Amino acid sequence: DIQMTQSPSSLSASVGDRVTITCRASQDIGNYLAWFQQKPGKAPRSLIYATSSLQSGVPSRFGGAQSGTDFTLTISSLQPEDFAIYYCQQYNTYPLTFGQGTRVEIK
Amino acid sequence: QLQLEQSGAEVQKPGASVKVSCKTAGNNLINSYIHWVRQAPGQGLEWMGIINASGGRTAYARRFRGRVTMTTDTSTGTVYMDLSSLGSEDTAVYFCALVEVVGGNPTDGWSWGQGTLVTVSS
Repeated sequence: DIQMTQSPSSLSASVGDRVTITCRASQDIGNYLAWFQQKPGKAPRSLIYATSSLQSGVPSRFGGAQSGTDFTLTISSLQPEDFAIYYCQQYNTYPLTFGQGTRVEIK
Repeated sequence: QLQLEQSGAEVQKPGASVKVSCKTAGNNLINSYIHWVRQAPGQGLEWMGIINASGGRTAYARRFRGRVTMTTDTSTGTVYMDLSSLGSEDTAVYFCALVEVVGGNPTDGWSWGQGTLVTVSS
């Protein structure tokens, strides 16, 4: 199975900060990488697919990039509603696998 | 975004089975694929498998093979996930998520159901 390793596991940031979360795949997955946001007690919400394509309705402050098997999710200016857990996921190969999650907390 | 409606919470005894439903809008089933993902309390997301909403082709995660069955009722646009031989470790919220795929690529990201809590307890 492809392992997805996210870093950091948690971070503290202030409103307006630029935040970057990294996800490393254990092998080549092309650009088949998605990012999800989840708030407590809620279903996940899709943010990005195909590494950098924004899901319909997702604000443009969210962005995704790739360098080889390293992927990043960047929030250009953190907003109060962005405090949540973020997961990456590869969908290149079955079984689909998720990163362990990154918790973004208020500083 | 497409809307998915899941069935309500379930409590089952160890060894029993549970069947969770996920109703789609019923449009464009040919290009629609439903994933099932679960989340144990306080844990991350775990992919269970996928089914094509129109033709019923499936792929299951290895750890669930032999215990999980995913089916589709095209007349109602409803997809089902049946998990048997339940143990306490199967206590989790089960999510369905829909993605439309054209030419092998998604047309947008996943649309998620609200989740169904399944509790396994004697």
